[in-house]
Parts: sequence; structure tokens; C-alpha cells
Amino acid sequence: GAVVSQHPSRVICKSGTSVKIECRSLDFQATTMFWYRQFPKQSLMLMATSNEGSKATYEQGVEKDKFLINHASLTLSTLTVTSAHPEDSSFYICSARGSTVLGGNQPQHFGDGTRLSIL
Amino acid sequence: GNSVTQMEGPVTLSEEAFLTINCTYTATGYPSLFWYVQYPGEGLQLLLKATKADDKGSNKGFEATYRKETTSFHLEKGSVQVSDSAVYFCARLQGAQKLVFGQGTRLTINP
Repeated sequence: GAVVSQHPSRVICKSGTSVKIECRSLDFQATTMFWYRQFPKQSLMLMATSNEGSKATYEQGVEKDKFLINHASLTLSTLTVTSAHPEDSSFYICSARGSTVLGGNQPQHFGDGTRLSIL
Repeated sequence: GNSVTQMEGPVTLSEEAFLTINCTYTATGYPSLFWYVQYPGEGLQLLLKATKADDKGSNKGFEATYRKETTSFHLEKGSVQVSDSAVYFCARLQGAQKLVFGQGTRLTINP
């Protein structure tokens, strides 16, 4: 089945550091990738949607300059948390969705998430 | 609005018990509906889905029926196992690709 790899799985860093999280689709071309944030014992909140080769679409309330998203290829999207602070600590999850020649509704495949802890 | 409401957890059951996790949605039209499962420290895995009214999704002994009359998509399993312990998320499709998730229900199965 479709596999999405997310790296790193866990990162701990000091306040003020910028952190990059990678999301790769391993066996399919991901025309669309999604970035979610999950607070402890809560649901996933969509942060942004990115289509390969174009700018990401951010959800209301998500700072574009804080959470930089790049989707430069059909198999890789990155989320960079710039100048991270303790309130940015969270579980970040990416998902990827492919496409078919005939179109249709392709499911999202999720990575295993990245636990970010800012000290 | 467009939302998904799940049964509040946590839910604790004994092995081989019957499971029901309720999920209702609000939407215009008939969106695709999903159940995802999240094991500790991992991302989400698609458990099952239904794309139109009266469809039944099933996988690994879990079932959910898309009921438009009650706008519900309740998850059921006849006999749960310890390995089913996880957080379960109900979700609906909004538009062509955006997923809207419920708040999640933590399930613990005791041997």
C-alpha cells in the first residue's frame, strides 16, 4: 500500500531554533500534501494544503511566515517552523494524496508524525 | 456548519466485548465519511470509509454504515482485542480533498 515517510520522528531543540520536517511519499506521486497539528488528546487541525509547484494554502489563523511549507517535487514536502518557541511544541503530521489520470477521489495517506519539543 | 462529533472518551472495554463509537456529522449533501485509527506515537491509518449513503465500510472486523437519515457513521466491532487499543477518529470530506476530523475517541481494551 501507499507509504508516507515523515522525518524526523522526534526533535528537541532550544527556543529560537528553526526546525525542518520532511514528508515523503515513497511509492506514489503526491500532487497534494497536507500538514496537520495535533495537541495532546485532541484532534488534528489542518494547518495548510500544498500542491506541487505552487504556494501552500494556509488555514485561517495559521501564520504563513512562522510555518513555511515547500512542495518542490511530487514526492517531497517540507514544513519549517521558524524561530520556534515553547508554544510551538506539538505533534505535527503530514499526509499525501496522489492523483489518477482519470481523476477521482484519492485517499490521504498519513506519515507517522513528528513530535516537536521546544525548550 | 461542517463538523464531525464523536462519542467522548475514553472508552474502556474488556477483551471480546462489543464496541460502538458514535459519530455524527453536519454537512450539505452527502460527503464521503471515514474512520481513522491512531496507534500510540504514530500517524493516522485509514480504517474504513463509505462514499455514499447506505454504504457500509468494513475492515479488520470493524464496520460502519453511512446513514443519511440520522447523519451518522457509527463504528462497531463485535469482539474487540487488546491490539485494538488506540485513538479512533471519525472524519468527513469537505470539498474535494479537505478532511474534517472529530475530536477522537481513546479506546483501551483490557485483557
